[in-house]
Amino acid sequence: EDQVTQSPEALRLQEGESSSLNCSYTVSGLRGLFWYRQDPGKGPEFLFTLYSAGEEKEKERLKATLTKKESFLHITAPKPEDSATYLCAVQAGTGANNLFFGTGTRLTVIP
Amino acid sequence: DTGVSQNPRHKITKRGQNVTFRCDPISEHNRLYWYRQTLGQGPEFLTYFQNEAQLEKSRLLSDRFSAERPKGSFSTLEIQRTEQGDSAMYLCASSPLNEQYFGPGTRLTVT
Repeated sequence: EDQVTQSPEALRLQEGESSSLNCSYTVSGLRGLFWYRQDPGKGPEFLFTLYSAGEEKEKERLKATLTKKESFLHITAPKPEDSATYLCAVQAGTGANNLFFGTGTRLTVIP
Repeated sequence: DTGVSQNPRHKITKRGQNVTFRCDPISEHNRLYWYRQTLGQGPEFLTYFQNEAQLEKSRLLSDRFSAERPKGSFSTLEIQRTEQGDSAMYLCASSPLNEQYFGPGTRLTVT
């Protein structure tokens, strides 16, 4: 059975304190791994898609990496506006188009 | 605004009533998805349309749930005989291929 586990569940950082969020997965036939940001009461906002081990993508203070078992979302010098829940999702299996989500990491950046 | 739109944004209904939600995808996207999200959880897949064809349905989609996408444009999700357990955020997403772009969601409260 497909499984996506995110850690930690919650993370509090001081402004400027870099850290990483983890997404480990067990799926049959990974077709893509997706990162989303979600603010309270809103829909998830697309950040990155990674397709193969070794791939990296960057956007402003965020950098996503992928291995055969996990993905990391690195946050460099975070600001309070980076506070949100970060969701990881996988698309797996032949023919399946839906995303299978983890439960997210709730990030709080303190000024 | 050219993003995914959903209406209504909030719906309060009494147990046993029927409700219908609407999703307008990004205009050039032929793929449309419905997800359900409860507090502290990631979104869970409900159903998937490619153009007007409903190609995938989750086991979560009981007989009380029905979705349509006439003419491959907007989509509706209807819940009949609502139960308290149906209280959740209902999210719609559209996609040109792999990346899914989410709308703001419809929050359903069943009293």
